[in-house]
Amino acid sequence: KQEVTQIPAALSVPEGENLVLNCSFTDSAIYNLQWFRQDPGKGLTSLLLIQSSQREQTSGRLNASLDKSSGRSTLYIAASQPGDSATYLCAVNLGWGKFQFGAGTQVVVTP
Amino acid sequence: DAGVTQSPTHLIKTRGQQVTLRCSPKSGHDTVSWYQQALGQGPQFIFQYYEEEERQRGNFPDRFSGHQFPNYSSELNVNALLLGDSALYLCASSLGGGQGVDTQYFGPGTRLTVL
Repeated sequence: KQEVTQIPAALSVPEGENLVLNCSFTDSAIYNLQWFRQDPGKGLTSLLLIQSSQREQTSGRLNASLDKSSGRSTLYIAASQPGDSATYLCAVNLGWGKFQFGAGTQVVVTP
Repeated sequence: DAGVTQSPTHLIKTRGQQVTLRCSPKSGHDTVSWYQQALGQGPQFIFQYYEEEERQRGNFPDRFSGHQFPNYSSELNVNALLLGDSALYLCASSLGGGQGVDTQYFGPGTRLTVL
């Protein structure tokens, strides 16, 4: 059974510091992995999608890496801003659109 | 271009009642998935609809059922509501009937409270 874990559960950093968020999964048989952002009480916003054949994906200040063999993905956010405060979730695609999510990392960026 | 829309935004029901939640996918998308997100947890996959049929199902009881219409919109029905059904219900849409479904786009969710 696939399990997705995100550590730490919460993180607080001063503005300008780089953020490193971790996601681990137990079964490497995934089709892709997606990182999302969720603001309190809101839906999910897609940040980055990494196909299983890719090692990393970049968008602006965001960079996500994927190591399928070790069951790990890392989301890097450079030069954090207070507007980056949110919960970040990773989800693995098990096939045919069935996604399994981690519990998320709650991030607070202090001015 | 309208994104994924869900209705209603909030809903309050009592135990034993039935509820119907609605979702309209992003323009051009043909696949709809439903998730349940309890407070402080990640979303849990309920089921997915493609071509008006349930294609995948998560570990949820038969009290949870759904439907997809020819215009790709979808409904989630929950019967015999329990207190534990209180959660944010998220709808996600995507494109494709292949095995490696691509990016999912999420709606704002429906907050269901069961008293």
